[in-house]
Amino acid sequence: GNSVTQMEGPVTLSEEAFLTINCTYTATGYPSLFWYVQYPGEGLQLLLKATKADDKGSNKGFEATYRKETTSFHLEKGSVQVSDSAVYFCALSDQNTGGFKTIFGAGTRLFVKA
Amino acid sequence: NAGVTQTPKFQVLKTGQSMTLQCAQDMNHEYMSWYRQDPGMGLRLIHYSVGAGITDQGEVPNGYNVSRSTTEDFPLRLLSAAPSQTSVYFCASSYLGLEETQYFGPGTRLLVL
Repeated sequence: GNSVTQMEGPVTLSEEAFLTINCTYTATGYPSLFWYVQYPGEGLQLLLKATKADDKGSNKGFEATYRKETTSFHLEKGSVQVSDSAVYFCALSDQNTGGFKTIFGAGTRLFVKA
Repeated sequence: NAGVTQTPKFQVLKTGQSMTLQCAQDMNHEYMSWYRQDPGMGLRLIHYSVGAGITDQGEVPNGYNVSRSTTEDFPLRLLSAAPSQTSVYFCASSYLGLEETQYFGPGTRLLVL
């Protein structure tokens, strides 16, 4: 079945450091890929997405490229800020007999120190 | 727009009690879903619906029932609560389509004693 695997956290960085959070997936079809972010005490919200191979999603300085050959969608940011501290979830949406399903990874908690 | 709303925010139940978690959206989304979030497990899909009158099971449906009588509402029922159902529950909605963004409610924190 479909699955999403992302690196375990927590990840602790100093402000202005480079961030990478790895995400790999397995899917039977041609999924869309997403990164969602969850700030403390809140629900998830979309950070970025990519809907086909080689697409790059970007938002708020974060980027991720849909790599079909390596089944990956790694999240990167060149210079993190304290306000980026949150939990990041990689997700995919794929077809199934009932329509489609979105499957989430386990989440990676990021702490950014001033 | 209020977006996706969930009630209650927090609930304590005793083992064996029943309750309904409410979810409503005002964006005319066809797709609605329920997830539970547990430490180290991420979000796991409980049930989902692609439109009024249509529901289907997700990864972890046991112990939960849903119905979708209107486009706006998608309640989740716990028939006989168990401690293993202690979790944070999120409702989400979106337009139909693989590329569509899901919009999440603020969550309901449930504690089963």
